[in-house]
Amino acid sequence: GAGVSQSPRYKVTKRGQDVALRCDPISGHVSLYWYRQALGQGPEFLTYFNYEAQQDKSGLPNDRFSAERPEGSISTLTIQRTEQRDSAMYRCASSLAGQGGYSTDTQYFGPGTRLTVL
Amino acid sequence: AQSVTQLGSHVSVSEGALVLLRCNYSSSVPPYLFWYVQYPNQGLQLLLKYTTGATLVKGINGFEAEFKKSETSFHLTKPSAHMSDAAEYFCAVSGLIQGAQKLVFGQGTRLTINP
Repeated sequence: GAGVSQSPRYKVTKRGQDVALRCDPISGHVSLYWYRQALGQGPEFLTYFNYEAQQDKSGLPNDRFSAERPEGSISTLTIQRTEQRDSAMYRCASSLAGQGGYSTDTQYFGPGTRLTVL
Repeated sequence: AQSVTQLGSHVSVSEGALVLLRCNYSSSVPPYLFWYVQYPNQGLQLLLKYTTGATLVKGINGFEAEFKKSETSFHLTKPSAHMSDAAEYFCAVSGLIQGAQKLVFGQGTRLTINP
């Protein structure tokens, strides 16, 4: 594919359910980022992968949130026991260079997953 | 720590008029600065970025921004607005933190173009 893809595009779930959000980065991109965007706000950093290694998870709100990228390509963000406050747009981005590379590489964003927790 | 403030959550201009979207930043390290645009139902698209060198940066679709260190600003301008410029615009700052480019975004400015 030409760009970053995310699925599902929309997810409605009931409070207490677990959800898994998928991100498929641009082929060959080493770095992968997850952001969360509340309504009327800019995206906020959640976590970062360099290949399959999760290098920074300082933005994850609590231990209900986790992410993985087992083969250094597709990534999954999982939210356990969802709460209404988890409702937001979840965005994934990828860039070419990894840690130690050119940190000014452009981050390419996917269309996002709109999560609604009822 | 880094932060971004975008002045004005909504800006409205007439078609053909100057577009000016304001962004001020705070950074404890030399900043890298970005402007992204978001069209409805699409991902964020990079308009332009400042890393080092020339402080006047030109981007896509006729936009440009000037890095002013003394004012800690990175305002986005376009001489003549077009209807297709209607979108939400985000200013972001990053620095080399643990080797990653962790973007810190402002809250966004929604640009409306009046015919």
